[in-house]
Amino acid sequence: AQTVTQSQPEMSVQEAETVTLSCTYDTSESDYYLFWYKQPPSRQMILVIRQEAYKQQNATENRFSVNFQKAAKSFSLKISDSQLGDAAMYFCAQGGAGTYKYIFGTGTRLKVLA
Amino acid sequence: NAGVTQTPKFQVLKTGQSMTLQCAQDMNHNSMYWYRQDPGMGLRLIYYSASEGTTDKGEVPNGYNVSRLNKREFSLRLESAAPSQTSVYFCASVAQRGLSEQYFGPGTRLTVT
Repeated sequence: AQTVTQSQPEMSVQEAETVTLSCTYDTSESDYYLFWYKQPPSRQMILVIRQEAYKQQNATENRFSVNFQKAAKSFSLKISDSQLGDAAMYFCAQGGAGTYKYIFGTGTRLKVLA
Repeated sequence: NAGVTQTPKFQVLKTGQSMTLQCAQDMNHNSMYWYRQDPGMGLRLIYYSASEGTTDKGEVPNGYNVSRLNKREFSLRLESAAPSQTSVYFCASVAQRGLSEQYFGPGTRLTVT
């Protein structure tokens, strides 16, 4: 069975600092995909970054990057130069190449302190 | 493009009442999903439709039914609402499985009293 675990219900970061959100997962699939979604107070879900499991290189999108450790089944999100607009709930998600299902973690609420 | 739209945005039901949540996407996506979001529980998959004409159960299907009316529309029905179904419901669509981004609707906040 697929599972996604986010062990940090809430995190805080000072504006302009760096923060890392943790995510671990479990899957029996050999080919799968990992995602981070952001949900601001507006409730709209927004894709932040995605990673294919067979690619060793960590994905990067501007200030957002991941640390993908396949053997450890870990997929953490690093936000550099944090901005007030980064304050949101962040969800880690996993989908398999052989399934249409996506499994989401329970989320981490990020607070950005001015 | 409107993306993924959901109606209604808010709804209050009494226990035992029925209702249908509507979802439509205009991106010609093949697969559509219904999730519920509860505090501390993240998003949990209720039902999904891999393609037009097919539907399958997700993690928490009990108490719900779905219809994939056509490629654009995917509705979620509560036949006899219960307080445990108080939640925020999201519809999503994706072009194809794999690395494709899921596009989400704005959500429906449902309260069952």
